[in-house]
Amino acid sequence: GQQLNQSPQSMFIQEGEDVSMNCTSSSIFNTWLWYKQDPGEGPVLLIALYKAGELTSNGRLTAQFGITRKDSFLNISASIPSDVGIYFCAGHFGNQFYFGTGTSLTVIP
Amino acid sequence: DTGVSQNPRHKITKRGQNVTFRCDPISEHNRLYWYRQTLGQGPEFLTYFQNEAQLEKSRLLSDRFSAERPKGSFSTLEIQRTEQGDSAMYLCASSLEGAPQHFGDGTRLSIL
Repeated sequence: GQQLNQSPQSMFIQEGEDVSMNCTSSSIFNTWLWYKQDPGEGPVLLIALYKAGELTSNGRLTAQFGITRKDSFLNISASIPSDVGIYFCAGHFGNQFYFGTGTSLTVIP
Repeated sequence: DTGVSQNPRHKITKRGQNVTFRCDPISEHNRLYWYRQTLGQGPEFLTYFQNEAQLEKSRLLSDRFSAERPKGSFSTLEIQRTEQGDSAMYLCASSLEGAPQHFGDGTRLSIL
C-alpha cells in the first residue's frame, strides 16, 4: 500500500506558538486531507486540498498541496490548549484514502 | 446530529466469539468506508461501498471479516471467531463521490 510519512511524530509547544507539520509520500495523490483526532473519537476533517500548489486556510490553520503532489504541510498559528490532539494527513488516489501515522501535538499553557 | 453514527461505542468479548458493528452514514452520502485503527497508527483501509455494492477490499480483510450494506444506507461489519489481534478501533466514514470523508467516533473492540 501507499506509505505516508508524517513529521514530526510529536511536538510539545508553548501556548501562542506557531506549529508546522508535514506529510510526504512516495506516490502522487489527487487530493490531500488533514484531520484532527481527539482521544476516543473519530478523526475530524480540518482542510481538504484538491490541486497541486493550492494553499487553503481554515481559521488559524493553513495547509498547502505540494507542487510535486507528493507532499503537504499544515501550519497552526497562535496555538491554544484545545489544539491538543493527533493530526493525520491523508492522500486520496483512486477509490482509497491512505493515512499517515500522525503528529501528536501537546500545547503547554 | 446528522453525522456518522457507530454502534456500539465499545465492545468487549472473549476470543473466538463473533461480533457485529453497525454504521449509519450521513444520509445523502453514497460512499461508505470501514477502517481499522490501532494505537499510535493512522486508520487502515478495510473496505468500501458505493451504494450497496462492495467495490474494494483490503488484503487486511481476512475471510473472518465480512461487511454488508444491504440497502445502500447503514452498514454492518462482522468479525467471526475473533482473535487477540482483532483488538482495535473500527472506524466508519462516509462521503459523496469525490468528496472528503467524514468519520464516526468508532467502535473500540477489546478481545479478552
